Amino acid sequence: KAGVTQTPRYLIKTRGQQVTLSCSPISGHRSVSWYQQTPGQGLQFLFEYFSETQRNKGNFPGRFSGRQFSNSRSEMNVSTLELGDSALYLCASSLVPQPGIGEEKLFFGSGTQLSVL
Amino acid sequence: DQQVKQNSPSLSVQEGRISILNCDYTNSMFDYFLWYKKYPAEGPTFLISISSIKDKNEDGRFTVFLNKSAKHLSLHIVPSQPGDSAVYFCAASVGGGADGLTFGKGTHLIIQP
Repeated sequence: KAGVTQTPRYLIKTRGQQVTLSCSPISGHRSVSWYQQTPGQGLQFLFEYFSETQRNKGNFPGRFSGRQFSNSRSEMNVSTLELGDSALYLCASSLVPQPGIGEEKLFFGSGTQLSVL
Repeated sequence: DQQVKQNSPSLSVQEGRISILNCDYTNSMFDYFLWYKKYPAEGPTFLISISSIKDKNEDGRFTVFLNKSAKHLSLHIVPSQPGDSAVYFCAASVGGGADGLTFGKGTHLIIQP
């Protein structure tokens, strides 16, 4: 069974540009979550999608947005990039939304490393 | 304000000995705790979890202890092996993860031969 696939693996952008990252979940998984990892802040929750609907959103500005398609694939978009947006963006999928006690756990992709110059 | 804290950025342990990774949290609403392991250039992988109704959970060489009164959990790895060298993240959730998982900043475990 293929894992969570994120593309591209690496990305270099300049300030003010916008970027779109892609995530293909594990086959059959309908929930996709996005996390930002930085050395200073660790892993921070961005948002979660289930059945094409955003269920939850973390504490990030509106420049960060996402969507999920009918095949559960998800994209994340960051507009007007800032230097501080340089980070590893991780996508995770699960069978059910908000995996918790006794339920399917989150399975992470390898991430997209975004560098903003 | 960090709700999940891993105060040791790195930890070095000799192969065969016990590794103890610590995690503190401030949000008393957290009811589920997880540990993830991350190798360079890979995403985190789930290791072990514990519900707030328990104080211990074991899975092979890995044991997680939860002390709710102290808002503290720890991950014990016995015996430590070279393949255990990785970054370990502690994570917590409220009510089954309704607001996503809250992660600590991670502890880099280095197993010395």
